[in-house]
Amino acid sequence: SQQGEEDPQALSIQEGENATMNCSYKTSINNLQWYRQNSGRGLVHLILIRSNEREKHSGRLRVTLDTSKKSSSLLITASRAADTASYFCAPHMEYGNKLVFGAGTILRVKS
Amino acid sequence: NAGVMQNPRHLVRRRGQEARLRCSPMKGHSHVYWYRQLPEEGLKFMVYLQKENIIDESGMPKERFSAEFPKEGPSILRIQQVVRGDSAAYFCASSPPGGNEQFFGPGTRLTVL
Repeated sequence: SQQGEEDPQALSIQEGENATMNCSYKTSINNLQWYRQNSGRGLVHLILIRSNEREKHSGRLRVTLDTSKKSSSLLITASRAADTASYFCAPHMEYGNKLVFGAGTILRVKS
Repeated sequence: NAGVMQNPRHLVRRRGQEARLRCSPMKGHSHVYWYRQLPEEGLKFMVYLQKENIIDESGMPKERFSAEFPKEGPSILRIQQVVRGDSAAYFCASSPPGGNEQFFGPGTRLTVL
C-alpha cells in the first residue's frame, strides 16, 4: 500500500506550543499534501510539497519532505485552540491521480 | 467561485434501498474523485472520473456501487441495495486539468437503518 501513515495517532498540547506530526509512505510520489479535517466536516487543503522540494512554509505551517526516507513532517507553530482537528497526509502517486490517506493525527490544543 | 458542492448533506436509507449522492465540482474543474470515510478512519479512495469517463475505479466495491460524471450535470455516486456497512461519510473532490491539489466538498453522511 502507498498510503500515508501519520504519527502520532493523537497529540494533545497547550495553546502556544508547537505541534509536529509525521508521515511515512511507501512508493514514489509526485507530491505530498497535508489536509485538515474538523470534526464532522470536509477536508481543507493546507499545503502541497513537490517531490523535488525539501521544505515549504505557509503561515504558521512548515512542511518538510525527505524522499530518501519516504517521510514528511508538518509543524504547526504557536498553536491555537482553533487548530484542534484531524490532520492527514496524502501522498500523490507518481503515476495515477489519486490521493491515499492514512488514519490521521488527532490534534487537540488546550486553551 | 463556489466550492465543491455535495447533496444531500445527510441521507438516511433503509437496507435494500438505493442511495444517490451528487457532487458538483468547482467551476472549471473536469476531474472528480469520490472517497469514503468510515468513523475514526481516514478517507479511502473509491473512483476517479473525468467527463464521461471513468479513469480509475480501483477503490470501488465490485458490486452495488457505480459512479458517473456525465457531460452535463453533477457526478453521481450510486449505491444499490444498501447495507448497514455502507453507512459512512462520502466525500467528493475536484481538480482542474493538470492540477494536483484536490478541493473537497462537505461530504454526504449516509446512514443505513
